[in-house]
Amino acid sequence: QVQLQESGPGLVKPSETLSLTCTVSGGSISSYYWSWIRQPPGKGLEWIGYIYYSGYTNYNPSLKSRVTISVDTSKNQFSLRLTSVTAADTAVYFCARDGGGKSVDVWGQGTMVTVSS
Amino acid sequence: EIVLTQSPGTLSLSPGERATLSCRASQSVSISYLAWYQQKPGQAPRLLIYGASSRATGIPDRFSGSGSGTDFTLTISRLEPEDFAVYYCQQYGSSPQTFGQGTKVEIK
Repeated sequence: QVQLQESGPGLVKPSETLSLTCTVSGGSISSYYWSWIRQPPGKGLEWIGYIYYSGYTNYNPSLKSRVTISVDTSKNQFSLRLTSVTAADTAVYFCARDGGGKSVDVWGQGTMVTVSS
Repeated sequence: EIVLTQSPGTLSLSPGERATLSCRASQSVSISYLAWYQQKPGQAPRLLIYGASSRATGIPDRFSGSGSGTDFTLTISRLEPEDFAVYYCQQYGSSPQTFGQGTKVEIK
């Protein structure tokens, strides 16, 4: 059974770069699309973007200028970089598997990232 | 982008009752690529329904989805205590993928 686990700093200073990694276990990353989704405290879900194992990416236009998603198939990991963060980027960040026609069918537990000085 | 509007915002019901949740899209959802998720406090969302009407693996048959085009519905035939949660719809047929704002199903 595929499991996902996010890792990275829980606190980032304003204007700096948020970096998170998602480790995929119980299955290969070399298929499916792999997504990042976030949820500000007490609010709804926002799709950030996804990457295919080949490196193809698709980002939310609202974040596209600041987002990079990358994949490391040798480590079965994919990563998120979000630059120039502000308090509005404070959220729980989820990594997830996008099953295509089945949508997002496997989620990590989520990691809280706070942007504050 | 496609905007999804869920109604009602909160649904107050008792265990055993039927729940009907609505999700309306600002434009037609491609190939009925509409999903429903359940989220409990402190947890990640769980996929319930994909393709508007297909139940995900392990989802009880009291959960059903219907609809096409711009109007979709999630029905919970008889509410169990563990069903009280927030429910989100999501369209994944057009980029960017978007979510509704959620419907909270609470115990009356």
